[in-house]
Amino acid sequence: DQQVKQNSPSLSVQEGRISILNCDYTNSMFDYFLWYKKYPAEGPTFLISISSIKDKNEDGRFTVFLNKSAKHLSLHIVPSQPGDSAVYFCAASGSYTGTASKLTFGTGTRLQVTL
Amino acid sequence: NAGVTQTPKFRVLKTGQSMTLLCAQDMNHEYMYWYRQDPGMGLRLIHYSVGEGTTAKGEVPDGYNVSRLKKQNFLLGLESAAPSQTSVYFCASSFGVGARGETQYFGPGTRLLVL
Repeated sequence: DQQVKQNSPSLSVQEGRISILNCDYTNSMFDYFLWYKKYPAEGPTFLISISSIKDKNEDGRFTVFLNKSAKHLSLHIVPSQPGDSAVYFCAASGSYTGTASKLTFGTGTRLQVTL
Repeated sequence: NAGVTQTPKFRVLKTGQSMTLLCAQDMNHEYMYWYRQDPGMGLRLIHYSVGEGTTAKGEVPDGYNVSRLKKQNFLLGLESAAPSQTSVYFCASSFGVGARGETQYFGPGTRLLVL
């Protein structure tokens, strides 16, 4: 049972345009969401996060939007740059587990930013 | 400040052999985790630890054992390797509490091939 879903395995965007990566979740007890970025042969690196008490969080070119009623979050990258080409993982956690920081990951979306 | 390091980077095993993967972190994190990443599956939690001397099972614990004898180290053992354990293994750590406690920091990964 995939509790965190990234339905688009890949996405191609032109440099300078907006990249929108989507993530859906099924567990209504999730209350913290994160995006990780992964380059080949490297470990995932933290990108941006959002708590369920917010609907938007922004950090430079990266913005995450959370729609709790739809159980949907998205990552916007504006403007997209060639260095953004990587696999992006959505992750979620819930304090209900009793121990913080047990993350459930999606399957990832490979973003390619073309010139 | 090296962050999270993993040893070895790559290993080939024959079915039935045993090995230990070492993870070390220098961020004084309480929580440590072992994940495996397989194509199309995202990252799946194998075992985790919420402090020195404690370990717990994650989503896919079968065939693996772990130990956390020192706060900075988390070992993952395969007693009798099977081809199904061919994967990329990532270690991660986090504070586990507080506003940013749920952000996990990952090592570079260990690629394991079981023949």
